[in-house]
Amino acid sequence: AQSVAQPEDQVNVAEGNPLTVKCTYSVSGNPYLFWYVQYPNRGLQFLLKYITGDNLVKGSYGFEAEFNKSQTSFHLKKPSALVSDSALYFCAVRDRRGFKTIFGAGTRLFVKA
Amino acid sequence: GAVVSQHPSRVICKSGTSVKIECRSLDFQATTMFWYRQFPKQSLMLMATSNEGSKATYEQGVEKDKFLINHASLTLSTLTVTSAHPEDSSFYICSAREQAATNEKLFFGSGTQLSVL
Repeated sequence: AQSVAQPEDQVNVAEGNPLTVKCTYSVSGNPYLFWYVQYPNRGLQFLLKYITGDNLVKGSYGFEAEFNKSQTSFHLKKPSALVSDSALYFCAVRDRRGFKTIFGAGTRLFVKA
Repeated sequence: GAVVSQHPSRVICKSGTSVKIECRSLDFQATTMFWYRQFPKQSLMLMATSNEGSKATYEQGVEKDKFLINHASLTLSTLTVTSAHPEDSSFYICSAREQAATNEKLFFGSGTQLSVL
């Protein structure tokens, strides 16, 4: 069965410092991988995706993520965090054969000024 | 980018009444729409997959007679919570997949906060 794990409920980082939000997955084959961000009482916004090609993908707002096939991970990163990055981040996977997207439990990022 | 409009954003209803939530793709045709439910501080739980012109596919444990989904056109899907009870109170989010899209990402509505009294 497909699953996505985000081991940290919350990540705290000081503004200007690099941030990492972790994600590991369990899906057969080569899945599509996504990161979405959710602000309070809002729907999710797409940040970035990995389909194929370079393992390091760049997305919106300066975020990037690194696909590591051997570790089945897709960690979200940003070199310098902003207070406005504080939000709930979801990692998601989709089997290439189907349409369903499975989400992780979410990680709340808190960036302190 | 593509926009998905979800309405209403917030609804309060009495126990036993029905509530309809609309999800519209404004500038693209959505072959497939998905309905999710989100509890506080939890992830999105996929409730059902809605394909235009056919019956929705419900996830295990989701009551299809309680959560009625209609996807009558390529731009509109509706979720009706019938005979709502307080335990149905939740944040409901729809998402859409663009027809013939190759980028595979989903576009999300802004969500509906349902409170059943």
